[in-house]
Amino acid sequence: GAVVSQHPSRVICKSGTSVKIECRSLDFQATTMFWYRQFPKQSLMLMATSNEGSKATYEQGVEKDKFLINHASLTLSTLTVTSAHPEDSSFYICSARSKGNTEAFFGQGTRLTVV
Amino acid sequence: AQSVTQLGSHVSVSEGALVLLRCNYSSSVPPYLFWYVQYPNQGLQLLLKYTTGATLVKGINGFEAEFKKSETSFHLTKPSAHMSDAAEYFCAVSGPGRRALTFGSGTRLQVQP
Repeated sequence: GAVVSQHPSRVICKSGTSVKIECRSLDFQATTMFWYRQFPKQSLMLMATSNEGSKATYEQGVEKDKFLINHASLTLSTLTVTSAHPEDSSFYICSARSKGNTEAFFGQGTRLTVV
Repeated sequence: AQSVTQLGSHVSVSEGALVLLRCNYSSSVPPYLFWYVQYPNQGLQLLLKYTTGATLVKGINGFEAEFKKSETSFHLTKPSAHMSDAAEYFCAVSGPGRRALTFGSGTRLQVQP
């Protein structure tokens, strides 16, 4: 299957700083990328959908100014958590889909801890 | 709108026993249905999917699921559980008009020796 690489796998940052998470499709062109958030022992909640070259579409309740998403190329999307606070600590997972494909492939996830 | 309900947040079976994880969905459009497995601190791996065609879908690692439109269900089964099957399982739905997945709450499968 197609490979989606997400980095870093773990990051610890101080409250008030910003953190960037990268999501790369290694062997296909990801026309659409999705960012999910998963709290401990809970399901994945969609945060936003991004199409290459377009602004991301955020789900209701997700602050677009706090969670900056960039999808500048067909193989890379980034999620930047700005001015992180402890309540932003979570597991963030990206997935990527190519045009016309029903299946989206998931990255390994990033465990963010804000102290 | 779409939603997924997974009955049972925890399921425990003995090694070699039948695995049955339940999933019911709600969708206003013909659904695409998926089962994913997640190991601790990892992303999701696709087990199987239903889009169109045959309603009995076979996936990896011996898992299969049957799409039953009349029951709005997509239950996951495996005839004989292995210790390595212990993980979190998510059922998800999407549709032709919405590419993002809507996930169920997940079911943690424990396999007892």
